[in-house]
Amino acid sequence: GIQVEQSPPDLILQEGANSTLRCNFSDSVNNLQWFHQNPWGQLINLFYIPSGTKQNGRLSATTVATERYSLLYISSSQTTDSGVYFCAVNSGGYQKVTFGTGTKLQVIP
Amino acid sequence: DAGITQSPRYKITETGRQVTLMCHQTWSHSYMFWYRQDLGHGLRLIYYSAAADITDKGEVPDGYVVSRSKTENFPLTLESATRSQTSVYFCASSPRDRVTYEQYFGPGTRLTVT
Repeated sequence: GIQVEQSPPDLILQEGANSTLRCNFSDSVNNLQWFHQNPWGQLINLFYIPSGTKQNGRLSATTVATERYSLLYISSSQTTDSGVYFCAVNSGGYQKVTFGTGTKLQVIP
Repeated sequence: DAGITQSPRYKITETGRQVTLMCHQTWSHSYMFWYRQDLGHGLRLIYYSAAADITDKGEVPDGYVVSRSKTENFPLTLESATRSQTSVYFCASSPRDRVTYEQYFGPGTRLTVT
């Protein structure tokens, strides 16, 4: 099956810093989503981005499907950005959703 | 707008007991999913449903049973719970619109099997 790798696995930032999270996938995908799992465990949709670039406030994402990667940019990080960031891809059949291993982000004041 | 809800949020049960986790969505999404999240494995798909009365296995279906008699509900039953089924369970839904496959997740149920 498709392999989804995220990097870095862990990241500690000072409040106000910028960061880039990466998601690499081993095969062509139909769809890609970025999620934020907050410290309370809730999974929050960030972006649905099978290709192209999207922005939402301090967050933006870019997927280059032909090169099999996606990037999540966080600017001016805040402590509320802490948690785990997952990318999830659909490959082949609609039901075949594969999650990456996640990037654990800690933003310190 | 309640969205997608799960109940109970926390559950402790004993080995061998049957337990049912409930999932309810108010969006009339056709697709619904059950995942489990474990340390070291991320989220893994247990079962999914494309519509009422249509269900199929995901990556880790053994020991679980699902049903979907109504579009809005998708219960997950552990017929005889085992300690290896201690996990956090997430339900998700997605619209039928095949232009987008965006999934929306419930708050999760933390299940402990003793």
